[in-house]
Parts: sequence; structure tokens; C-alpha cells
Amino acid sequence: NAGVTQTPKFRILKIGQSMTLQCTQDMNHNYMYWYRQDPGMGLKLIYYSVGAGITDKGEVPNGYNVSRSTTEDFPLRLELAAPSQTSVYFCASRPITDSAEAFFGQGTRLTVV
Amino acid sequence: AQSVTQLDSQVPVFEEAPVELRCNYSSSVSVYLFWYVQYPNQGLQLLLKYLSGSTLVKGINGFEAEFNKSQTSFHLRKPSVHISDTAEYFCAVSDRASAGGTSYGKLTFGQGTILTVHP
Repeated sequence: NAGVTQTPKFRILKIGQSMTLQCTQDMNHNYMYWYRQDPGMGLKLIYYSVGAGITDKGEVPNGYNVSRSTTEDFPLRLELAAPSQTSVYFCASRPITDSAEAFFGQGTRLTVV
Repeated sequence: AQSVTQLDSQVPVFEEAPVELRCNYSSSVSVYLFWYVQYPNQGLQLLLKYLSGSTLVKGINGFEAEFNKSQTSFHLRKPSVHISDTAEYFCAVSDRASAGGTSYGKLTFGQGTILTVHP
């Protein structure tokens, strides 16, 4: 059981480039999330989705976009990379049960230079 | 709005000593409480969660946490740590669903506590 899979694990981008961080889960979870982790700041919610075709902004959405065409996939798009987007990005999923915990991917470490 | 404060950014401790990692939260609604652990270069893994009932919650790897509603705290403890417990620990909360609504399970995290266990 693979759980939540993120690709790539590492990436270096130049300022102004774009890229898509991939996330897929095989647990048939309705809810999916993107968080970014910065040292000493914990994790902040970027975007989330409650099902295919439904997405909404989290706490720090600026500079990012998402889509959810299937239950399994929830890609995160950076259009014009900026140094402030240097971070570790985590995708997570969970079932709709109110008390359920989230399952996290291994993370994508992104550096923008 | 919610907030979570982890009172110690780093906790060094010797092997086999007890440890407590402190977490306070603030919320205008009832919440679920979680502790996650992140080993180096890995994702987050659930240690334990408080949903309701007994205020003492036992988790994996010998960890436990106590929910204190009056002090809005959820401190994590282990009576005897091992080198392999060296990791970063995150306290998090999510809203309980209100009548007719849902919280969608969005998590608010604390800043993290780096636990370093020395031999």
C-alpha cells in the first residue's frame, strides 16, 4: 500500500520558472491538502480539496494553483517561482470521517535560486 | 481562528531520561488534537490523537499525551527516551464538525519541537 506519493523529492528552480509538484494517493480519500514547511514555522496550509473538482484556498495560497480532476491526484502548480517559495512541500490526504487523521507524503524539497 | 504554540523549539535530553514536549492551543470551537513526528528527511507520521473520553492518550513508541481542557494544553511525554526518538515533533489541531457543517480536517500546526537524544 503506497499511501501518499509525491514527486519529485528534490528540485532546484530558477526565479521565474514554473513547475508542478505531483501528489497521488491510493486510499480513496476524499480530502487532500498541500502544506509548506519552513524552519521554525511549522506547516502552513496552501490549498485543500474535498473531492474531485472542488478546491479551496488555505492560509498561504499566493503564488500557487491546484486542480483536482480525479480522487487520486492533487497537483500543485507554481507559475512564477520566487525565492520565498523555497520550502519543503507536503501533500496529505484523509477520509471524510470528522475525527480521522491525515496521512502525509514524503515531501518535496524545493529551492528557488 | 485557531493557534497552536509549542513552548520549546529544541529539547536536548540524555538517553533513558524522561521528556515532556509542551503544546498549548487556542480555539473558539471544540477541536481534535494530534501529535505528529517527523524523522529526518521523511514525512509526518501520527504519534497519537485525542478525540474524546479519557484525557490520557497513549500512542506509538511509548509516547503518551494528556489533554487539559482548562489549561488548553496537550503535552507529550515519554518516561524513557531512546536515541531513535531524535526527530521533530509537531502538535496540531483541527476543528470538530459543527451541527450541519464540517471542518474538512484542515490542520493548524505548532512551530515544531526538535528533540535530540544524546547517548
